[in-house]
Amino acid sequence: QQQVKQSPQSLIVQKGGISIINCAYENTAFDYFPWYQQFPGKGPALLIAIRPDVSEKKEGRFTISFNKSAKQFSLHIMDSQPGDSATYFCAANNFNKFYFGSGTKLNVKP
Amino acid sequence: DSGVTQTPKHLITATGQRVTLRCSPRSGDLSVYWYQQSLDQGLQFLIQYYNGEERAKGNILERFSAQQFPDLHSELNLSSLELGDSALYFCASSVVEDGELFFGEGSRLTVL
Repeated sequence: QQQVKQSPQSLIVQKGGISIINCAYENTAFDYFPWYQQFPGKGPALLIAIRPDVSEKKEGRFTISFNKSAKQFSLHIMDSQPGDSATYFCAANNFNKFYFGSGTKLNVKP
Repeated sequence: DSGVTQTPKHLITATGQRVTLRCSPRSGDLSVYWYQQSLDQGLQFLIQYYNGEERAKGNILERFSAQQFPDLHSELNLSSLELGDSALYFCASSVVEDGELFFGEGSRLTVL
């Protein structure tokens, strides 16, 4: 059973557009929700993270929106750039277990 | 550079064989996690150690085992290898058990 469900599997966005990736979870014990960015041949790297006591967190062009009642959270990339083309993973943490979504491959077209 | 070192980067072996993947965490990080990433798949949590002790187990097969040594480096042992074990194996480390994970660049295992 997948603990964190992520969609879409792939996404194509024009340069300057908004990229939106969604995740849903079931376990209400999760208390830390990070997003990781992975470029080909590299390991994932933390992009931005949120805890359930806030509904939104913004860092530069990246924003996490968190809906605790719906058990959903999403990543918004504003003014998407070709350099943002990568695979994005959402994750949820419970104690010392991190559960990752299946990933979204983002392609930002110039 | 995350500061997490994994060796080897690439490994090709045959079915039925045994391999050992090694991970050196970032300096000061006590927690080590192992993940498996199959082709175009997400990251499957295998196992976690904290300061030498096993703390959490995910979907790790009985053919797989791991340990964390006193110097905090960790090894993942994969035995009786099958074709389906071909994957990228990532190690990650963190200072605390629910903090930011820093990933290595992975060890790509190919089982022929």
